[in-house]
Amino acid sequence: DAGVTQSPTHLIKTRGQQVTLRCSPKSGHDTVSWYQQALGQGPQFIFQYYEEEERQRGNFPDRFSGHQFPNYSSELNVNALLLGDSALYLCASSRLAGGPGELFFGEGSRLTVL
Amino acid sequence: AQTVTQSQPEMSVQEAETVTLSCTYDTSENNYYLFWYKQPPSRQMILVIRQEAYKQQNATENRFSVNFQKAAKSFSLKISDSQLGDTAMYFCAFMKHVTRSGGYQKVTFGTGTKLQVIP
Repeated sequence: DAGVTQSPTHLIKTRGQQVTLRCSPKSGHDTVSWYQQALGQGPQFIFQYYEEEERQRGNFPDRFSGHQFPNYSSELNVNALLLGDSALYLCASSRLAGGPGELFFGEGSRLTVL
Repeated sequence: AQTVTQSQPEMSVQEAETVTLSCTYDTSENNYYLFWYKQPPSRQMILVIRQEAYKQQNATENRFSVNFQKAAKSFSLKISDSQLGDTAMYFCAFMKHVTRSGGYQKVTFGTGTKLQVIP
């Protein structure tokens, strides 16, 4: 049973560029959340998708946007990259029904903005 | 808004010894969930233990146990018989309980404690 998979694992961009990160949830999961983890910090909630809609959003600007597809996979898009966007981006999946369940995390996408 | 505080940035423990990691949180909610997540150097975060706030009994999971003090808003993690594989970042996390089915599960994390198990 494949867990949460993310791609790419590493990428380097320059300021002002745009980036798309991808996530496939664990089999049987229908909810995908994205977190930003700066170096030495805990993950910060960006947003969550369920039924192809953004359901919750953290304190992130509109430059951060996302999408969820019918197969539950998800993308995170960041426009007009800033140096401060350099971080590990974690995708976490869970199953909405049945109460608050465990979050399963991917290994993350390490974004470096130069 | 909920906040989670981990006041120990780094800790170390001898192999086979016991170590306790501290966590405090702030919330006005009465029903919620608390978690400890482990993030080894390979980066993939995994759940160590979970506690429902309405349960008075402290959760245990093999060598891992918690001391949940709801009134004090404290949630510490005890690791017994520490092993080299326990070396990792440990994050305390909070999730508000919602009444609709499942709810939308936003998790708030602390800043983490880096644990080093020394041979």
